[in-house]
Amino acid sequence: SQQGEEDPQALSIQEGENATMNCSYKTSINNLQWYRQNSGRGLVHLILIRSNEREKHSGRLRVTLDTSKKSSSLLITASRAADTASYFCATDYFGSSNTGKLIFGQGTTLQVKP
Amino acid sequence: ETGVTQTPRHLVMGMTNKKSLKCEQHLGHNAMYWYKQSAKKPLELMFVYNFKEQTENNSVPSRFSPECPNSSHLFLHLHTLQPEDSALYLCASSQELGRGEKLFFGSGTQLSVL
Repeated sequence: SQQGEEDPQALSIQEGENATMNCSYKTSINNLQWYRQNSGRGLVHLILIRSNEREKHSGRLRVTLDTSKKSSSLLITASRAADTASYFCATDYFGSSNTGKLIFGQGTTLQVKP
Repeated sequence: ETGVTQTPRHLVMGMTNKKSLKCEQHLGHNAMYWYKQSAKKPLELMFVYNFKEQTENNSVPSRFSPECPNSSHLFLHLHTLQPEDSALYLCASSQELGRGEKLFFGSGTQLSVL
C-alpha cells in the first residue's frame, strides 16, 4: 500500500512545548501534504512540500522531507491548546497521473494541555 | 468555513432506508471528491469528479451511488447500507484535478447505520 503512516499515533504535550509528528511512505511521490482535523470536522490543508524541496515553513509549522528515507516530519513550535487536533500526511504519488489521488495516513492525534 | 458545505451533519438510517448526502462548494472549483473516514482507518477515497464527469470509482459497492449534476454540487445516494458503512463521509473539492492540488473539505456527514 502507498499510504503514509504517521508516528506517533498519539502525542500529549504541555502548551508552549514543540510537537513533532512523522510520516513515512512507500513509493516515489510528487509532493506531500499535511492536513489538520479537529474532532468531528473536515480536514484543513496546512502545507504542501514538493519532492524537490527539503524544508518548508509556514508560521509555527516546519515541514521537512527526506525522499531518500521516504519520510516527512511536521514540527509545531510553541504549541497552543488550539493546536489540539489530528494531523494527517497525504501523498500524491507518481502512479496517480492526473487523477489527483491523495493517499492519507491514519494520523497523529495531538493533545496540547493548557 | 472552507467554502464546502455538507448536509446533513448527522444521519441515522436503517439498513432498508434510502437517503442522500449533499455537498455544495462555493469556491468555483472543478473537481469534487467523496472520502470515507472510519474509526481507526485512514481516509478512503471513494469517488472523484472532474467537470461533473466521474474519473474515479475506487471499487466502491453499488449501494453507494454518486451524482454530480454540475461542478458545484455532489450527492451520494445511499441504499441498503450495512452497519459497517457507519462512518464520517467527507466531501472535498480542488481547483483542478491533478498533482499538487490542495483539497478543501466540508465538515462531513456522520452516518450511523442501524
